[in-house]
Amino acid sequence: QLLESGGGLVQPGGSLRISCVGAGLTFSTNRIHWVRQAPGEGLLWVAGITIDGGFANYADFVRGRFTISRDNARNTVYLYLNSLRADDTALYYCTTSPPTSWVPFNNWGQGTQVTVFS
Amino acid sequence: QSALTQPASVSGSPGQSITISCTGTSIDIGHDDLVSWYQQHPGKAPKLMISHVTRRPSGVSDRFSGSKSGVTAFLTISDLQADDEADYHCSSYTSRNSLIFGGGTKLTVL
Repeated sequence: QLLESGGGLVQPGGSLRISCVGAGLTFSTNRIHWVRQAPGEGLLWVAGITIDGGFANYADFVRGRFTISRDNARNTVYLYLNSLRADDTALYYCTTSPPTSWVPFNNWGQGTQVTVFS
Repeated sequence: QSALTQPASVSGSPGQSITISCTGTSIDIGHDDLVSWYQQHPGKAPKLMISHVTRRPSGVSDRFSGSKSGVTAFLTISDLQADDEADYHCSSYTSRNSLIFGGGTKLTVL
């Protein structure tokens, strides 16, 4: 129901845009989040956005570098990753939460891999 | 903000019960009841097992249950089965309007 894309290899300091397309669910009635997982590590919440895109929330370690946005007409959420660092290397999951709450994360995509290398 | 604290690993035999702890602080687990638990099999996406400390989503076995005491949340799995072998992650919303996870616990079914 959630399909991520756009991951890849990028050098430190570089930028990338990853996308999440929702299919088979009422995409515009869910808050959308990005959660990442480095190899062998736990989960880290990165950012979330309200159903109308009017408010976005970020983890401290990405605030000012990453931007989340959504296009409900295209059932798509984007994450713009700028000033990338080696420790941003991770599998980035797209996930949903209810329309008026930041939790819980009900549906998950399979993730898109972002690798920052020098 | 530091991650929630979970044991790195737990184990149990089929049919037994196990409990995984998740310890936070007064600004996260101790702040409200927005604690969730996720199951993750190797190479797979996480799956919601428990929300709001004790709520089980439709389709999740009643062998899974959640609880909380102070700044520590617990996930209990009863009647352990082979397919329960996975990583389990706790999470909590915080008073600073952010979300944090624990480091994850690897459950081994002996």
